[in-house]
Amino acid sequence: DAMVIQNPRYQVTQFGKPVTLSCSQTLNHNVMYWYQQKSSQAPKLLFHYYDKDFNNEADTPDNFQSRRPNTSFCFLDIRSPGLGDAAMYLCATSRPGSNQPQHFGDGTRLSIL
Amino acid sequence: LAKTTQPISMDSYEGQEVNITCSHNNIATNDYITWYQQFPSQGPRFIIQGYKTKVTNEVASLFIPADRKSSTLSLPRVSLSDTAVYYCLVPPEDMRFGAGTRLTVKP
Repeated sequence: DAMVIQNPRYQVTQFGKPVTLSCSQTLNHNVMYWYQQKSSQAPKLLFHYYDKDFNNEADTPDNFQSRRPNTSFCFLDIRSPGLGDAAMYLCATSRPGSNQPQHFGDGTRLSIL
Repeated sequence: LAKTTQPISMDSYEGQEVNITCSHNNIATNDYITWYQQFPSQGPRFIIQGYKTKVTNEVASLFIPADRKSSTLSLPRVSLSDTAVYYCLVPPEDMRFGAGTRLTVKP
C-alpha cells in the first residue's frame, strides 16, 4: 500500500546533540510537511516543501532545519535539541493545491535526556 | 483567512450519533472543508471532505448548509474506538490545525 513512513517511531537524544528524523513516501506527492505535536496540543506546522521549494513557518525556530533530497524522502534536522523540543514529529504529504487532503505518517516520538 | 471554530470537547455514549459542528464564516467560494481524525500516538487521518450539501462515506457524513459558513461532521452509532480528536480545516489554513474537538465515547 502507498504510504508515509517515519523512522524511527521512537528516538532518544541528549540535550544539545543533533538528531535527524526521517520520512519517506510512496505516494509520489509533490508536497511534504513536517509538524511538531506536543502532548494534548494540535499538530503545529514547522515547514513544508512544494517539490524542492522550501516554505518555513515564521515562528519555526532556527534550530529546526529540513532537507528534501528527492521526491520520496524528507528529513528533519534538529541542530541542538533542548528539553522543549521533546514532542511527536509528524510527516505528511499531499498533492499540490488547496483542498488536497494530507496523508500522515505515524510520527516519531522524540525524547531529550 | 478562513479561521475555524469547533467545540473543545464532547462526550457521548456507545451507539449514539455524534455531531460535531465547525464554523468557518470566511470560507472562500472554491474552498472545501476537510476533516481529520487523530488517535493517540498516531498521525491525523483524513476522514471526509465536502464542498456543499451532503457527503457520506463509510466512516462519516458531512453536512454543509447553503451558506457554507459552518459544517457538521456526523458519526453514526459511535463506539469506544471513535474516541479521538477531530479537526476541521479550511483553506488557506488547511495545513494548519486548530485545537480540534476531543470526542470521548463512554460505555
